[in-house]
Amino acid sequence: DVKVTQSSRYLVKRTGEKVFLECVQDMDHENMFWYRQDPGLGLRLIYFSYDVKMKEKGDIPEGYSVSREKKERFSLILESASTNQTSMYLCASSSSGADYEQYFGPGTRLTVT
Amino acid sequence: GQSLEQPSEVTAVEGAIVQINCTYQTSGFYGLSWYQQHDGGAPTFLSYNALDGLEETGRFSSFLSRSDSYGYLLLQELQMKDSASYFCAVNGANNLFFGTGTRLTVIP
Repeated sequence: DVKVTQSSRYLVKRTGEKVFLECVQDMDHENMFWYRQDPGLGLRLIYFSYDVKMKEKGDIPEGYSVSREKKERFSLILESASTNQTSMYLCASSSSGADYEQYFGPGTRLTVT
Repeated sequence: GQSLEQPSEVTAVEGAIVQINCTYQTSGFYGLSWYQQHDGGAPTFLSYNALDGLEETGRFSSFLSRSDSYGYLLLQELQMKDSASYFCAVNGANNLFFGTGTRLTVIP
């Protein structure tokens, strides 16, 4: 079974802090994604990566950056957390050419106060 | 741009059949995916339609009409555990684009 794990289930940070969200997948997937999920807005793509060291902006990249130093690990960075970044953050992975079938981690509920 | 429309809420009776519709507008279309998400859980992949027609997986079926930019998810023999949110997602030029989800409530 594909397993995608995220470093924290719940996180509380203060405005202005730098926040790191880690994601690890164990199925040797090439593709990895970061989404945020807010009520009534569905899942919105923040960044994605199709290979190590590679990153592409999604629909809402402002205020975020990512890092992919190893194939199995994809990190989301909030450079200076703001209250409007309070959300559920979901990491996903997929095999090459199969973006339609993504495997999601359990999510990190981030609260910025 | 891209847009997806699906009903926000649907209620159905245990044992019945329910259909969740999804219409889309997108430039560059490869197919339509469906995901299920229980409260507090992660989205899980249900099905994918790249071609017109019906795909069946057990109690769940998914349909696509590319000419109508329309698809649906059909759930048969509803069970209480099917209460969840269901998302359609367009596989297009800009990766997977998700709808806002349909919350299905199954009542006894």
